[in-house]
Amino acid sequence: DTGVSQNPRHKITKRGQNVTFRCDPISEHNRLYWYRQTLGQGPEFLTYFQNEAQLEKSRLLSDRFSAERPKGSFSTLEIQRTEQGDSAMYLCASSSTFNSQGEKLFFGSGTQLSVL
Amino acid sequence: GEDVEQSLFLSVREGDSSVINCTYTDSSSTYLYWYKQEPGAGLQLLTYIFSNMDMKQDQRLTVLLNKKDKHLSLRIADTQTGDSAIYFCAESHDPDSWGKLQFGAGTQVVVTP
Repeated sequence: DTGVSQNPRHKITKRGQNVTFRCDPISEHNRLYWYRQTLGQGPEFLTYFQNEAQLEKSRLLSDRFSAERPKGSFSTLEIQRTEQGDSAMYLCASSSTFNSQGEKLFFGSGTQLSVL
Repeated sequence: GEDVEQSLFLSVREGDSSVINCTYTDSSSTYLYWYKQEPGAGLQLLTYIFSNMDMKQDQRLTVLLNKKDKHLSLRIADTQTGDSAIYFCAESHDPDSWGKLQFGAGTQVVVTP
């Protein structure tokens, strides 16, 4: 198991373009989270999935953002009509709920998005 | 709303102990975590503590929780240069999703020889 994998590592785009990021979680993990981290801040929760079901979305996730996890394995996060304020590190994390003691999140290395 | 606060910076000499402090406001916080982030890397879970505990020790790491004051600390014994990183405190209180975390802004720890 190689851990949580995110692609691409870096994405530079022009304002108004659409971008899509991919996350491959640890294979047996049933939960997958997306977080966003801006410079000098801690990560902020965006959304999460249990298997293929998207169970919660933060109010930070505007209508321009959509996330999917079609087969309960990998997930994609798409941002439409990007704005400069979308520039951030997008982090994916996965966990298993088959553990009565809370959830241990395993994070990927993130996708750094720069919107010019 | 929930808020997690940390001091921004800590400088420590190699071999000394480091203590990183965190305060939180949500009295329903159930799990409290410490994550480490090195440059260009994701977050690595160091340790966590359940709210009915006061202390947890794991090798060089000691977590202390003062529920009354809503204060959490992480002590790193015998700090090494490899401990230089940003340390994040985080809390969760949602029993439907313990993985939905509220993070602090992070404490930059610099270890000097």
